[in-house]
Amino acid sequence: EIVLTQSPATLSLSPGERATLSCRASQSVSSYLAWYQQKPGQAPRLLIYDASNRATGIPARFSGSGSGTDFTLTISSLEPEDFAVYYCQQRSNWPPGTFGPGTKVDIK
Amino acid sequence: QVQLVESGGGLVKPGGSLRLSCAASGFTFSDYYMSWIRQAPGKGLEWVSYISSSGSTIYYADSVKGRFTISRDNAKNSLYLQMNSLRAEDTAVYYCARDLRDSSGYYLDYFDYWGQGTLVTVSS
Repeated sequence: EIVLTQSPATLSLSPGERATLSCRASQSVSSYLAWYQQKPGQAPRLLIYDASNRATGIPARFSGSGSGTDFTLTISSLEPEDFAVYYCQQRSNWPPGTFGPGTKVDIK
Repeated sequence: QVQLVESGGGLVKPGGSLRLSCAASGFTFSDYYMSWIRQAPGKGLEWVSYISSSGSTIYYADSVKGRFTISRDNAKNSLYLQMNSLRAEDTAVYYCARDLRDSSGYYLDYFDYWGQGTLVTVSS
């Protein structure tokens, strides 16, 4: 089973700052990686799929990059509604579709 | 608009059973693969089970294999999860989620729509 690790566990930033989140896979997942955002009490929302494709309706400030084992989610300028937990998920070795442990982006 | 609404959660004793349902609307349910994904309180996401559009292909996480059964009724636009031999570690919010399809119709095994979740608590 492919294991995903995310770093940092918590990222403390101010609105307007740039956020850079990392996801690392235990073996290559090619470009088969997605990012989700989850706010308290809500279901996750798909942001990015296949490493760099924005899902429908996702603002351009969200971007994804990477391939193989190292991936990055970048939020170019944090809006107040972006403070949440972010998960990565791989589909290279399916099933299972493993998720990372999450990175919490909170307000500094 | 796409809607997924789970129901059937609740408090159950260890060893007990529960059946979750997910009512789908706003899209052609029979065209989509579906999954159940769970989240233990304060924890991350864990994929549980998957079913193809016709129901002919089914997968389970090792943690639930032999205890949980996924099914669907395309005539009723509904997805189900029968959970038997429940354990304390099955306590979680259970989400149903739709598999993302690309513009060519390929299933991408990411999840583009999720329900609001239903809480299952296994405790004596």
